[in-house]
Amino acid sequence: KNEVEQSPQNLTAQEGEFITINCSYSVGISALHWLQQHPGGGIVSLFMLSSGKKKHGRLIATINIQEKHSSLHITASHPRDSAVYICAPNFGNEKLTFGTGTRLTIIP
Amino acid sequence: DTAVSQTPKYLVTQMGNDKSIKCEQNLGHDTMYWYKQDSKKFLKIMFSYNNKELIINETVPNRFSPKSPDKAHLNLHINSLELGDSAVYFCASSQLGTSGPKDEQFFGPGTRLTVL
Repeated sequence: KNEVEQSPQNLTAQEGEFITINCSYSVGISALHWLQQHPGGGIVSLFMLSSGKKKHGRLIATINIQEKHSSLHITASHPRDSAVYICAPNFGNEKLTFGTGTRLTIIP
Repeated sequence: DTAVSQTPKYLVTQMGNDKSIKCEQNLGHDTMYWYKQDSKKFLKIMFSYNNKELIINETVPNRFSPKSPDKAHLNLHINSLELGDSAVYFCASSQLGTSGPKDEQFFGPGTRLTVL
């Protein structure tokens, strides 16, 4: 069964802290997406990766295919990073399976 | 300029009515999707079309009927609306590779449907 687990479910941190959000999945995948959902509801794709590491600004995504695990890191966190972050593996077919999301709150 | 657009943004209607949500993308992608986000904020795929052909049809009541007149448009028609249909519906698009999306998915702003 294609399952996705994210942790933590909720994360509150002080501005400037280094943030890590984890995603584990049950079977092999072709790619994994990290999405950000703003408080206003809009969804933005942050990364799509199938191996190694990708970096965009203060955001870094890593994936370990053997361990079936991916992490999203945010360096020098800022209140505008407050959002829900969703992990979505692609289990080799056309559709994404979504994690339950991690609600991140950064306090000034 | 908007990459993926949806109309309407908000939809409030009575139980039993029929309504449609429209989606358009100007990214030249060949694949479009409908997702439902329930009150617990959990996202789930409903349908996907690739080059106007249905390729994903999850366990969705047949009151929901997608229609793709061309690659750039995917509409969702819902008959006999029920209270449980209240949710946010997101449209998205991507370019499909041989084993799944070739690139990131681009999401529309969502349509908040409230059934009274």
